Amino acid sequence: DTAVSQTPKYLVTQMGNDKSIKCEQNLGHDTMYWYKQDSKKFLKIMFSYNNKELIINETVPNRFSPKSPDKAHLNLHINSLELGDSAVYFCASSQVARPNSPLHFGNGTRLTVT
Amino acid sequence: GESVGLHLPTLSVQEGDNSIINCAYSNSASDYFIWYKQESGKGPQFIIDIRSNMDKRQGQRVTVLLNKTVKHLSLQIAATQPGDSAVYFCAENIGPNYGGSQGNLIFGKGTKLSVKP
Repeated sequence: DTAVSQTPKYLVTQMGNDKSIKCEQNLGHDTMYWYKQDSKKFLKIMFSYNNKELIINETVPNRFSPKSPDKAHLNLHINSLELGDSAVYFCASSQVARPNSPLHFGNGTRLTVT
Repeated sequence: GESVGLHLPTLSVQEGDNSIINCAYSNSASDYFIWYKQESGKGPQFIIDIRSNMDKRQGQRVTVLLNKTVKHLSLQIAATQPGDSAVYFCAENIGPNYGGSQGNLIFGKGTKLSVKP
């Protein structure tokens, strides 16, 4: 029943490793996003995909690579993890075609890099 | 109680009182504004939105007021309940509005609301 689900919920790893976070939405939305929330609760958009096409790519290190196999999925792969990557990563989706369509967020993946 | 904006990150109110959370947004060209509620361990949850051609919008127990002259947004919660305890974010849409999406949302710092029983 979960509208936007992301896995894993917690991810603890060492510097230099490569990890992925998966996201799926069952709302039939056309657009999916990745947001990063730092320790001060500040939320910042990283990427946005519409129908598997990248439409927003904020200033994010190229170690971060989103992949959208279909419009219901948007995964985030991170190479060579650094301490500063520790944060909570949120996936979200929205129905682009509808005006005033809210973003639906997943419950986040807390990434800790040691 | 009243928050004086994003510089005051916490707001404590008594159960049953009304809460007012304020937000100063940055871009006069922003045309869409949203309030989100984030409970501990969860993702932000949409509360209410407003377009720049309106100055007030009401939902269930919540009202959003928009003052474009001073670039100010507020969220009023009536009869605040313990379940309202959370961090509240305002967000503005300042980028290209791709087909009505909220993709280029800029979030404020957030205000933590604590409700005392």
